[in-house]
Amino acid sequence: GAVVSQHPSWVICKSGTSVKIECRSLDFQATTMFWYRQFPKQSLMLMATSNEGSKATYEQGVEKDKFLINHASLTLSTLTVTSAHPEDSSFYICSARAWVTANYGYTFGSGTRLTVV
Amino acid sequence: GIQVEQSPPDLILQEGANSTLRCNFSDSVNNLQWFHQNPWGQLINLFYIPSGTKQNGRLSATTVATERYSLLYISSSQTTDSGVYFCAVGSEKLVFGKGTKLTVNP
Repeated sequence: GAVVSQHPSWVICKSGTSVKIECRSLDFQATTMFWYRQFPKQSLMLMATSNEGSKATYEQGVEKDKFLINHASLTLSTLTVTSAHPEDSSFYICSARAWVTANYGYTFGSGTRLTVV
Repeated sequence: GIQVEQSPPDLILQEGANSTLRCNFSDSVNNLQWFHQNPWGQLINLFYIPSGTKQNGRLSATTVATERYSLLYISSSQTTDSGVYFCAVGSEKLVFGKGTKLTVNP
């Protein structure tokens, strides 16, 4: 139980285009999901907290107009990187917590490797 | 915000050796997890351990919440244990340490 599916696993896009990444909780409902970014050989940095039915909460320094987050249902959150540039190339990963398995903690998706050319 | 420090940053072992990874954190938390990130980037949840001790095969973890640290023990290490180990702590959201890069040589 407590599976988070992330899609796509990798994507290459041209500079100036937008890319959407999906994060789904497969066997539980998640009112809150989290989006992280990881640059090569670095740690995971929290970008934003996605709240079902309301606006996302962004961490300091994260541009909300560039990284659009939509959490329209209890099982799906999406991150759209708008007008992507090479510096947005990174590994993006989402997570959620299944409260029914409170002893398990947070579950993470398998991540999306974004390359902007 | 909460600070998370992991040590050592790098660790090189021979297969069969034991190791201890440490995670210090700056504030009281009700969630602490240890992860292993594989070469493809996937985070494998090793332990959810806000307090106490747990064991899973060759791995075990102990968190002393009152002293704000956690330890991850790896016994009889194998080459497949190589990778980066992260400690993440928090209450509503997780903050990650910088990780320990473990290399196990045959």
